[in-house]
Amino acid sequence: EAGVTQFPSHSVIEKGQTVTLRCDPISGHDNLYWYRRVMGKEIKFLLHFVKESKQDESGMPNNRFLAERTGGTYSTLKVQPAELEDSGVYFCASSQEESYEQYFGPGTRLTVT
Amino acid sequence: GQNIDQPTEMTATEGAIVQINCTYQTSGFNGLFWYQQHAGEAPTFLSYNVLDGLEEKGRFSSFLSRSKGYSYLLLKELQMKDSASYLCAVRDRPGYALNFGKGTSLLVTP
Repeated sequence: EAGVTQFPSHSVIEKGQTVTLRCDPISGHDNLYWYRRVMGKEIKFLLHFVKESKQDESGMPNNRFLAERTGGTYSTLKVQPAELEDSGVYFCASSQEESYEQYFGPGTRLTVT
Repeated sequence: GQNIDQPTEMTATEGAIVQINCTYQTSGFNGLFWYQQHAGEAPTFLSYNVLDGLEEKGRFSSFLSRSKGYSYLLLKELQMKDSASYLCAVRDRPGYALNFGKGTSLLVTP
């Protein structure tokens, strides 16, 4: 069974540019989560999809972040325009409904210069 | 708010036993998870506790006391490959987001 995959693995952009991160969850997993870890801090929740619906987006830092999951399969997270403080590692995770554990992807390391 | 505390760093010797503690104060509780993360890799699931007591899985065990807001991860017969960051995370609702501690960086020495 393929795990959670994320693309790209690294992205370096300039302040003000746009970046789109992609996450492909494990097949059949309805729940998809985005998390972020900025340097020196803990991994923090951004939002949660159940299929194509946003269950909770209370962790999204501001309206420069837009997440979508059209068709309930893969998800994208767009940052527009990027700011320096957006630098960090963005993780995606998926789980079966009511399952115990979330399976994490390797993350996308975003650097905004 | 959520508050999850664990030591920043620990060092232990190959073949020994190490215990990594985690204390939490959260608005709700629906399970405590331990993940292992090697540098540059995905966090991988180690254990899950929702009831008080000890859960054993091979060399790894995890303990939970809900009344004390306390958990520990016990690693036995340490191997060099166990050098990694260990993340404690609490879920406050079913199927919901995980609230993570900052992680404990474990170094296993020969």
